[in-house]
Amino acid sequence: DVKVTQSSRYLVKRTGEKVFLECVQDMDHENMFWYRQDPGLGLRLIYFSYDVKMKEKGDIPEGYSVSREKKERFSLILESASTNQTSMYLCASSSRKGLSNQPQHFGDGTRLSIL
Amino acid sequence: ELKVEQNPLFLSMQEGKNYTIYCNYSTTSDRLYWYRQDPGKSLESLFVLLSNGAVKQEGRLMASLDTKARLSTLHITAAVHDLSATYFCAVKADRGSTLGRLYFGRGTQLTVWP
Repeated sequence: DVKVTQSSRYLVKRTGEKVFLECVQDMDHENMFWYRQDPGLGLRLIYFSYDVKMKEKGDIPEGYSVSREKKERFSLILESASTNQTSMYLCASSSRKGLSNQPQHFGDGTRLSIL
Repeated sequence: ELKVEQNPLFLSMQEGKNYTIYCNYSTTSDRLYWYRQDPGKSLESLFVLLSNGAVKQEGRLMASLDTKARLSTLHITAAVHDLSATYFCAVKADRGSTLGRLYFGRGTQLTVWP
């Protein structure tokens, strides 16, 4: 079965800290995505990656960076956390092989609070 | 940039009633996805619609796609409490460097009451 695993369900950090959110998928998917979800705003794409060491900005990349050193792992980094980055963060992955119309598969999410 | 609009954003309906959620998108695409999200949980894929006229059904939910009108509908038949959730539609970009990314609507929060 498809599995996207996010390292933490809940995380509390302080303003100014460097925060790492980790995501691992076991489906050999090429594409990986980071979203944040806020009430009333739906899902907004932060960054995505089509391949190892490759990244593209989404709609709200400011204040974030990403790392993809291995195919199965995609990390989101908050360089200097601020209170307006308190949110639910969702990781997703999808395949580009063959049946590339298959949906994105989501992790359980990380609820991040910045104090 | 591809825009996706869902309506209504909030839907409160009585058990046993029927209703339709609408999803409009702004540029050509023939791949549309519906997801469900329960409170505090992640997104679960419901339907994948791949061509004009596509219709998929699962239980009390039926999704359809009209690519000419750039419209998808999610029809709820004889609603039950278990359908209470937030429903998202998402459209796949057709071409260019954004191939593969999805553009999401803001979601429809459905509450079914007795």
